[in-house]
Amino acid sequence: DAGVTQSPTHLIKTRGQQVTLRCSPISGHKSVSWYQQVLGQGPQFIFQYYEKEERGRGNFPDRFSARQFPNYSSELNVNALLLGDSALYLCASSLYIGGSGRDGSGANVLTFGAGSRLTVL
Amino acid sequence: AQKVTQAQTEISVVEKEDVTLDCVYETRDTTYYLFWYKQPPSGELVFLIRRNSFDEQNEISGRYSWNFQKSTSSFNFTITASQVVDSAVYFCALSGGVSGGYNKLIFGAGTRLAVHP
Repeated sequence: DAGVTQSPTHLIKTRGQQVTLRCSPISGHKSVSWYQQVLGQGPQFIFQYYEKEERGRGNFPDRFSARQFPNYSSELNVNALLLGDSALYLCASSLYIGGSGRDGSGANVLTFGAGSRLTVL
Repeated sequence: AQKVTQAQTEISVVEKEDVTLDCVYETRDTTYYLFWYKQPPSGELVFLIRRNSFDEQNEISGRYSWNFQKSTSSFNFTITASQVVDSAVYFCALSGGVSGGYNKLIFGAGTRLAVHP
């Protein structure tokens, strides 16, 4: 079975340009999340989508936007690129959105893709 | 505020040594989940374990073991008899809980483990 696939794997852009990153979740997974990982740091949450609706947003500027399609794939768009946007962008999928179940039905395990490495010059 | 601290930036060991990676977390939620992920050079994060706040039992999986202590807000990870293939960056993460959402993970800065032959 295919895991989470992301494209492109690497890309180079210049300041001010726009970029679109794509993610295909594991078959049957309905939730997609995006994380930004700057070199030497842990991943930071950007967005979560579930059933095509935004269900969570991290502390990122409005230059970052995303959407989820009927087939549950997702795109992350970043406008007006800055040097500081250079990072590994990770997509993760999960079956459902989590909840507070004491029976273990809480936070779902996220399966991550290999990421899209963006370099902004 | 929720926070995960991995104080060890880099650890270097010789093969077959035991190594413990520390993780300390902060949260005001009473229900939360803790995770460990491994990030090899290829980049993808590989899930290792999930633990909920109601279950303080330690867990062992092969050479891996985890020690969860709510009293000290710690969730440490031990690799016994380390191998070169264990070389990677290891991340501890906390789910957002009621306030932050259960699929939003808050990651520590990671610990880079280098296992030398």
